[in-house]
Amino acid sequence: QSALTQPPSASGSPGQSVTISCTGTSSDIGGYNYVSWYQQHPGKAPKLMIYEVSKRPSGVPDRFSGSKSGNTASLTVSGLQAEDEADYYCSSYAGSNKVVFGGGTKLTVL
Amino acid sequence: EVQLLESGGGLVQPGGSLRLSCAASGFTFSSYIMSWVRQAPGKGLEWVSTISGSGVRTYYADSVKGRFTISRDHSKNTLYLQMNSLRADDTAVYYCAKGSSSLDSWGQGTLVTVSS
Repeated sequence: QSALTQPPSASGSPGQSVTISCTGTSSDIGGYNYVSWYQQHPGKAPKLMIYEVSKRPSGVPDRFSGSKSGNTASLTVSGLQAEDEADYYCSSYAGSNKVVFGGGTKLTVL
Repeated sequence: EVQLLESGGGLVQPGGSLRLSCAASGFTFSSYIMSWVRQAPGKGLEWVSTISGSGVRTYYADSVKGRFTISRDHSKNTLYLQMNSLRADDTAVYYCAKGSSSLDSWGQGTLVTVSS
């Protein structure tokens, strides 16, 4: 199971939008609509922000949105706020009841 | 409110064993798939293992297969991870989480350090 590929960092100013990509293969992202995104603040447990590519759990602001095209998934954060500064991880079902994560992206709000 | 509370982490020598526990509350434990995910210091998340709601079906990452065993006790609403033949690269914070491909609730994690 190879990790999904994410950019190590991303940034944006308050109020702006930023998009984080997550690239896999046809065996994971491209083959299933089971992409999730997690937010992790320093020293805290991850929090589910997006599941099944584009669905938001209850309580997650609609500023967070997800999409997928081919083997690449994306998380867009609109109207950036200071509290959005965190690490973001994508994950995908990879067949055979396995899950693979991305390496993580550190989002900085300038 | 869903609560997951891990315990059992600590310092262990290479080749040693450790059993992690995760006490679950706030939901019908036996109805949900549960997973373990780990995070090495300063690194990203790594899926470790998943168990079906019934406990009959178990799945493992290649990196731990044959060394780790996931199990659950419905009478105690507790998830377990038995870790044998531990190696230095197993050093990580271990999280239990509710779900499989999407993990909607996480514990606070327990640190496992493998070192001599």
